[in-house]
Amino acid sequence: GQQVMQIPQYQHVQEGEDFTTYCNSSTTLSNIQWYKQRPGGHPVFLIQLVKSGEVKKQKRLTFQFGEAKKNSSLHITATQTTDVGTYFCAGHNVNRDDKIIFGKGTRLHILP
Amino acid sequence: NAGVTQTPKFQVLKTGQSMTLQCAQDMNHNSMYWYRQDPGMGLRLIYYSASEGTTDKGEVPNGYNVSRLNKREFSLRLESAAPSQTSVYFCARGTSGSLNTGELFFGEGSRLTVL
Repeated sequence: GQQVMQIPQYQHVQEGEDFTTYCNSSTTLSNIQWYKQRPGGHPVFLIQLVKSGEVKKQKRLTFQFGEAKKNSSLHITATQTTDVGTYFCAGHNVNRDDKIIFGKGTRLHILP
Repeated sequence: NAGVTQTPKFQVLKTGQSMTLQCAQDMNHNSMYWYRQDPGMGLRLIYYSASEGTTDKGEVPNGYNVSRLNKREFSLRLESAAPSQTSVYFCARGTSGSLNTGELFFGEGSRLTVL
């Protein structure tokens, strides 16, 4: 079945440093979504990427979708304490089995 | 909570007991989902429903049943709870009539402990 792998599992960075999390799918994806979950909270949608090679930006966050539509990344520039949380990617494959499968997430911890 | 309400928020069960987690959306969207979240395991799909009256298995359906009797409500039932089902359960709704074309909105979660 479809698998979505995400690395790293944990990341500690000094405030102001950059952060990147990577997502890889075992199958080609129709689209990929990114979510953020604050400690004790629920996942909140950040963005969806649909096109091969697509790049989208939200302030300090840059999202990329690979040319083969099997991988994606989220890059945060100059991290702030408000960036703390777990970042998840989620996607489904082109066979449209109607499942949205999540990666295991990357937990970001900011050191002051 | 983006219009998704889950009850109860907390529950403690003994092994073998049964219970139902309720989820209701205040919009008229077709797709609804149940995920469980365990430390280090991310969010794993239990069941989902593309529309009223239809349900499909996700990644980890064993030990669970679901019911989508109307468009608003999607319930998750544990017939005989086991300690391995101790988890945080999230219900989510989609945003359009066709699955996988829009983001998911999650409820605040239900924390279940099975002793």
